[in-house]
Amino acid sequence: QVQLGQSGAEVKKPGASVKVSCKASGYTFTGFYMHWVRQAPGQGFEWMGWINPNGGGTNYAQKFQGRVTMTRDTSISTAYMELSSLRSDDTAVYYCARDGDYSKFPSFDAWGQGTLVTVSS
Amino acid sequence: SYVLTQPPSVSVAPGQTARITCGGNDIGGYRVHWYQQKPGQAPVLVVYDDSDRPSGIPERFSGSNSGNTATLTISWVEAGDEADYYCQVWYSSSDRYVFGTGTKVTVL
Repeated sequence: QVQLGQSGAEVKKPGASVKVSCKASGYTFTGFYMHWVRQAPGQGFEWMGWINPNGGGTNYAQKFQGRVTMTRDTSISTAYMELSSLRSDDTAVYYCARDGDYSKFPSFDAWGQGTLVTVSS
Repeated sequence: SYVLTQPPSVSVAPGQTARITCGGNDIGGYRVHWYQQKPGQAPVLVVYDDSDRPSGIPERFSGSNSGNTATLTISWVEAGDEADYYCQVWYSSSDRYVFGTGTKVTVL
């Protein structure tokens, strides 16, 4: 079955960077776009961007342009999301989510378990 | 602007029907997906393309979409349906992915 396994929780100081990993299994990694979505404590979801594992093309939400970098390593079926210049309002759970196989209109049919990133001095 | 508005909360008795709305400008012109999130867990896709269900999702979950409102309907509500529910739309012209504000469903 499709599984996305994310790296563990992180605590970072303001101004630092964080890199979260997402290891895919149970399907062909290069066959599906991977998205990153975050959820601040007690809040809703915010889409950050996607990476096409087949070729590495990316598309970032305007809000994160210049601060986020999404990469992948196809040899180990893993996607990465790096966010720099962290601020306290970047404290959130970060999810990777697979672009669904059900619809031609993008949806997220599998999610990682989430990675809590806490930004605090 | 890309704003999808949901009621903050919906309360329903077991066995009754819960209806969760997602309001957006001309949302009927887009395909709406719905997610269920239980506390401390990742979201689960429960309805895609307005009204279709992924494999493994009970028939009790259904959806509709027209005009400025999409609706997720949960029939014969069970205690296990208590969760937060979010709608989501892809705006192809700008390749943006927008989530609704979320609705907490409480089973009385």
